Amino acid sequence: DTGVSQDPRHKITKRGQNVTFRCDPISEHNRLYWYRQTLGQGPEFLTYFQNEAQLEKSRLLSDRFSAERPKGSFSTLEIQRTEQGDSAMYLCAGSRGSYEQYFGPGTRLTVT
Amino acid sequence: GESVGLHLPTLSVQEGDNSIINCAYSNSASDYFIWYKQESGKGPQFIIDIRSNMDKRQGQRVTVLLNKTVKHLSLQIAATQPGDSAVYFCAETPLAGGTSYGKLTFGQGTILTVHP
Repeated sequence: DTGVSQDPRHKITKRGQNVTFRCDPISEHNRLYWYRQTLGQGPEFLTYFQNEAQLEKSRLLSDRFSAERPKGSFSTLEIQRTEQGDSAMYLCAGSRGSYEQYFGPGTRLTVT
Repeated sequence: GESVGLHLPTLSVQEGDNSIINCAYSNSASDYFIWYKQESGKGPQFIIDIRSNMDKRQGQRVTVLLNKTVKHLSLQIAATQPGDSAVYFCAETPLAGGTSYGKLTFGQGTILTVHP
């Protein structure tokens, strides 16, 4: 157990709906990363925060995606107007500095 | 673009054998590497890491070797057990500043199956 938790673990939604995922890293994790993983592939970077500042966003993160880390602790990832192509595992990782990123269990999103 | 890849997508071994999982990377700016184990339905689990100023690092039953000359990384698992069955990913990142600082790039993964 890495101490990083994610909620919900599974989400099924209809195309066009909005969804929000939450990640709670441990208190020592000043860095928080979001990744997306599709079946048979390695995780792909989406965005990361250092404390509450969002420092980088991948081109994978379209305008429909937004992430926040308002107090430098938990983070949320929202997808608006979901599309079937958004179906994936959304992973959150925390680290102290840029070493040893510890992942949560992920949120499996299915868009029908 | 820069990528991290694996030579073998699947590896089957007998319990008690040693396993070697390989990874090639192409980003010459990479200077920090991590191996992760991922079981079905779970997030990646940190196994071991290595920085580019080292060529070998050992953990409990695992050893990571780094050959910067040929940009190759390997994970050796000693006395492989059925519980080691999983998908193994290598990941890399540059640490020397810039916007990629700490951002991991993952390879495709190798499926390790350990037969009792």
